[in-house]
Amino acid sequence: GAGVSQSPSNKVTEKGKDVELRCDPISGHTALYWYRQSLGQGLEFLIYFQGNSAPDKSGLPSDRFSAERTGGSVSTLTIQRTQQEDSAVYLCASSLARSSYNSPLHFGNGTRLTVT
Amino acid sequence: AQSVTQPDIHITVSEGASLELRCNYSYGATPYLFWYVQSPGQGLQLLLKYFSGDTLVQGIKGFEAEFKRSQSSFNLRKPSVHWSDAAEYFCAVGAPRVGNLIFGKGTKLSVKP
Repeated sequence: GAGVSQSPSNKVTEKGKDVELRCDPISGHTALYWYRQSLGQGLEFLIYFQGNSAPDKSGLPSDRFSAERTGGSVSTLTIQRTQQEDSAVYLCASSLARSSYNSPLHFGNGTRLTVT
Repeated sequence: AQSVTQPDIHITVSEGASLELRCNYSYGATPYLFWYVQSPGQGLQLLLKYFSGDTLVQGIKGFEAEFKRSQSSFNLRKPSVHWSDAAEYFCAVGAPRVGNLIFGKGTKLSVKP
């Protein structure tokens, strides 16, 4: 079946511009995660959505970052006033169960963001 | 809060040789532990996971990992590496009632013929 889909796959933007990154999770998956992967930094947790509960935003690095999940499905990660240090691969993952321990995370291929 | 350390940034092994990738975690109770693999141009894929019970867990692609509470470790092993195993490997730790996983910085594995 279809996996987690992220768009665009690549995004180049100028410093100071806003960007929106989209994630389509696997149908029926209630949990959705955003991670950021920078060179040499591994995967940095950003935000987690579970059903209709309030999202866990504890990983967002600044107030320039925000995310929403409409209708419990598609999610958009928005970065305002982009900075060069925002350049990274942004990964989205979804899982079936409330807890990732009962169901593995399925990752998309990511959006590579380059801020010039 | 939980954390995970992968001490080796890059490891090179010969094809057919054995492999061990190190992972150390920090958490006050028994954590939930995972290994994921990211092959070039591919998304991350779950190799194996540990929740409880038998401390030696088997995963896909011939990998196994052993949970050692006394050493706070969850090292990944494979007896004989194949060229297709060249990838980046991430250890991750989670905790009960916490939804997100915390990942290590990864170990890049190169395989030489």
